[in-house]
Amino acid sequence: DGGITQSPKYLFRKEGQNVTLSCEQNLNHDAMYWYRQDPGQGLRLIYYSQIVNDFQKGDIAEGYSVSREKKESFPLTVTSAQKNPTAFYLCASRDSYYTGELFFGEGSRLTVL
Amino acid sequence: DQQVKQNSPSLSVQEGRISILNCDYTNSMFDYFLWYKKYPAEGPTFLISISSIKDKNEDGRFTVFLNKSAKHLSLHIVPSQPGDSAVYFCAANNFGNEKLTFGTGTRLTIIP
Repeated sequence: DGGITQSPKYLFRKEGQNVTLSCEQNLNHDAMYWYRQDPGQGLRLIYYSQIVNDFQKGDIAEGYSVSREKKESFPLTVTSAQKNPTAFYLCASRDSYYTGELFFGEGSRLTVL
Repeated sequence: DQQVKQNSPSLSVQEGRISILNCDYTNSMFDYFLWYKKYPAEGPTFLISISSIKDKNEDGRFTVFLNKSAKHLSLHIVPSQPGDSAVYFCAANNFGNEKLTFGTGTRLTIIP
């Protein structure tokens, strides 16, 4: 089955720790995205990548970092510089450049204790 | 600057009736619009889309209408079913821009 796999589904972290969220896709999509969902704020774009070894900041990139060493993988690191990291994180991918349809993973919920 | 707005945070509709979800946008460069449905603790799933060259697109019980002059789109669900209870997001982008901008979502509750 083709799809996007995010792990872990739930993650707890102490303040000051970095944490990495995994995102893997077997859809052979070129573009991959990370969004953050907070109550009442919709989905906000953190980072996106159109091709391997290239990525761009989204609207709320501060305190986050990404890498795109393989087409299938787009991990997101939430650093200690992120002031309010508790949120639901969604990874997505897209095939066609223009159709705009994103395919989403199941999400990862990060809670900072 | 919220370029895509969903002004109704919640909506309750009787089962079998029509659900109408609304979305407004401010960026006149947007030319492709999508609706997503999201259950709690899950990723959003794509419902239906519309290009700016059309004013209506239909897929089963779901119809999206686009009014470019008013910068407004709406999603109609007929008839509404209990499984339609979810949060609905509208999203938009423009050709040449990889960023898909989402609205804040509307929680739809279908009352049996």
